[in-house]
Formats: sequence, C-alpha cells, structure tokens
Amino acid sequence: ELKVEQNPLFLSMQEGKNYTIYCNYSTTSDRLYWYRQDPGKSLESLFVLLSNGAVKQEGRLMASLDTKARLSTLHITAAVHDLSATYFCAVYNNNDMRFGAGTRLTVKP
Amino acid sequence: AAGVIQSPRHLIKEKRETATLKCYPIPRHDTVYWYQQGPGQDPQFLISFYEKMQSDKGSIPDRFSAQQFSDYHSELNMSSLELGDSALYFCASSLWPRGQNTEAFFGQGTRLTVV
Repeated sequence: ELKVEQNPLFLSMQEGKNYTIYCNYSTTSDRLYWYRQDPGKSLESLFVLLSNGAVKQEGRLMASLDTKARLSTLHITAAVHDLSATYFCAVYNNNDMRFGAGTRLTVKP
Repeated sequence: AAGVIQSPRHLIKEKRETATLKCYPIPRHDTVYWYQQGPGQDPQFLISFYEKMQSDKGSIPDRFSAQQFSDYHSELNMSSLELGDSALYFCASSLWPRGQNTEAFFGQGTRLTVV
C-alpha cells in the first residue's frame, strides 16, 4: 500500500529565512502534487510534478521531484507571513491521490 | 473560470440520519475524487470515478455509497450517520491523468456536523 510521509509536520520560521519540506513515498508513481490549505478552506493546487528531475517555481516556492529516490521537496525562499498555511504533498497511484500528513507552516515576523 | 462546486457548504444532521453531498466538477473533467478530512488531519481518500465508473476505492465505510452521473456530477450518500462522520468532505475533479492533463482541483468542501 502506498505510504506518503512528510516532514516536518510543524515548521515555525522567521520571515526572510529559507527552509525545505520533504515528501517521501513508498511506491512508484508518475506524478506528485503539492497543495496549500488555509484553515477551514479548500486545497489550492500549487504544483504538479510529472517526471524525474522536474522542478517548478512559483514566487517564493520551488518544488522538485526525484522519482528514483521517491522524494519531492518544497523549498521556501525568504519566507513571508502570508505563506503561513498547511502544505500537503499528494502522490498519484492507482486512480487516486494519497496525501501526506501535511506540514503546518507558521512564518513569524 | 468555473471551479469545482460542492453543495451544500454546511450540513447538520442527527445520528442515524442520512446525508447526500453533491459535487459538480469543472466542465470537461471526467474524473471525480472524494475525500474526508477530520480536524487537523490530512485528506483521506474515499472513492473516485472516471467516466461514471468507480475507478478506485479507499477508506469509505460500507454505510457510504457514491456514484457519478451522465453529466459527470457526483453524489456521496451517507447513511446511519455517526458522530465520527463529522468532517470536511472535499470533492476534486480532473481530466483522467494522462500525459500533461493532470491537475486536480478541489471544491470548497462540505462541512458535515453530526449531532
């Protein structure tokens, strides 16, 4: 059965700092998603990564995928307060997406 | 642009009652996924449909059933509701993941409270 593990689960950052969230998964997959969720809100699609070595960037967020290591990273550059949210990775496998536990990010001034 | 529409947004039911949640996917999307998210939890996959056929099944209780209709909207039917069914229920839609057509978009969710 596919397992998706994220770490850290909680992350408190200062504004201006950099950090990386990791997503490991247990079986082969040809696509990985990153979502952002604000409290009580829906999941907002950030990135879809389709191939080994894929890298996508949007603003202060950059996601990468290593299918051989079954690892994706979400890198945050120079964090700002409005990045505070929960970030989920999800791995596509057998007709569904399975989510990691989420990383609750808090960016402090 | 049209997004995934879920109704109702909020629902309060008593134990042992039934509930029906509806999901209207983005136009032309042929795949629908249902998820349940408890407080502070990650979304748990329930069931998915492609072209009106069930494509995968996750941790969906036997008390729940779902279907996708000819217009691609989907309904999640929940019977004999229990307190533990209180959660946010999300629907997502996508084109069947092939090639680059793969992004899945989520609706705003239905918050079900069982009292």
